[in-house]
Amino acid sequence: DAKTTQPPSMDCAEGRAANLPCNHSTISGNEYVYWYRQIHSQGPQYIIHGLKNNETNEMASLIITEDRKSSTLILPHATLRDTAVYYCIVSSSYNTDKLIFGTGTRLQVFP
Amino acid sequence: EPEVTQTPSHQVTQMGQEVILRCVPISNHLYFYWYRQILGQKVEFLVSFYNNEISEKSEIFDDQFSVERPDGSNFTLKIRSTKLEDSAMYFCASKQLYGYTFGSGTRLTVV
Repeated sequence: DAKTTQPPSMDCAEGRAANLPCNHSTISGNEYVYWYRQIHSQGPQYIIHGLKNNETNEMASLIITEDRKSSTLILPHATLRDTAVYYCIVSSSYNTDKLIFGTGTRLQVFP
Repeated sequence: EPEVTQTPSHQVTQMGQEVILRCVPISNHLYFYWYRQILGQKVEFLVSFYNNEISEKSEIFDDQFSVERPDGSNFTLKIRSTKLEDSAMYFCASKQLYGYTFGSGTRLTVV
C-alpha cells in the first residue's frame, strides 16, 4: 500500500500558485519524497524529489517539514497544462526500489 | 530531452495469444521497470530489472510474464497467454540514479 495520504482533488486558478499537500507520517530515514504527475493516460512524469531539504527546479518547489512527516509541492504559476493527477510517493534510496502509486490528487486548473 | 520509447502504442490481441511489448530505455540508464495501469485504477509495479536480471517482481508478475533485454538497447515484456484481465496500459520506465523516466505506454486490449 502507498505510504502517503493526499487529498483526492483540488482546484486552482490559472496563474496562481498550486499548493499540493502530502502526508507521509511513517517515512523512514532513508526514504525520499518523490512527486510525479500523470496527464490523462500518459506515462507518469517525474517532477521533483527531496530527502529533508527544500528543493526547487524549473517545474516546481518541494517543501518538506522538519520532522519529514509531510510535504507540499508548489507549482508557482499554474497553467491549464498543469491539470493532471499528482502523486506523492516515498521511496528508499536503494537504486532499484519500486514506486508504489496511490490515488494521488487530481488538480484542475481553471481559466 | 532523452525519452523512453514504447511500441506499439496500441495492441489488440485475442485471449490466449502471446504478446511482446517493446521499450527502448534511455541509453545511459541502468535500471528498468514495467508498470501497468488498468483503466481507472492505480499505476501498479510489475517488475524491476538491473544488471541483466530481475531485481524484484510483484504478485501480478506470474509465470505468464517475462522480461528480456536482448541486445543492450531494447527491453521487452512478454505475456505468454493473454487473459481479458491483462487489458491495461503498460508503461516502461528507466532510471539512472533518481527519478524515473516513463514511456508513453502501450495500450493492450485483450478480446
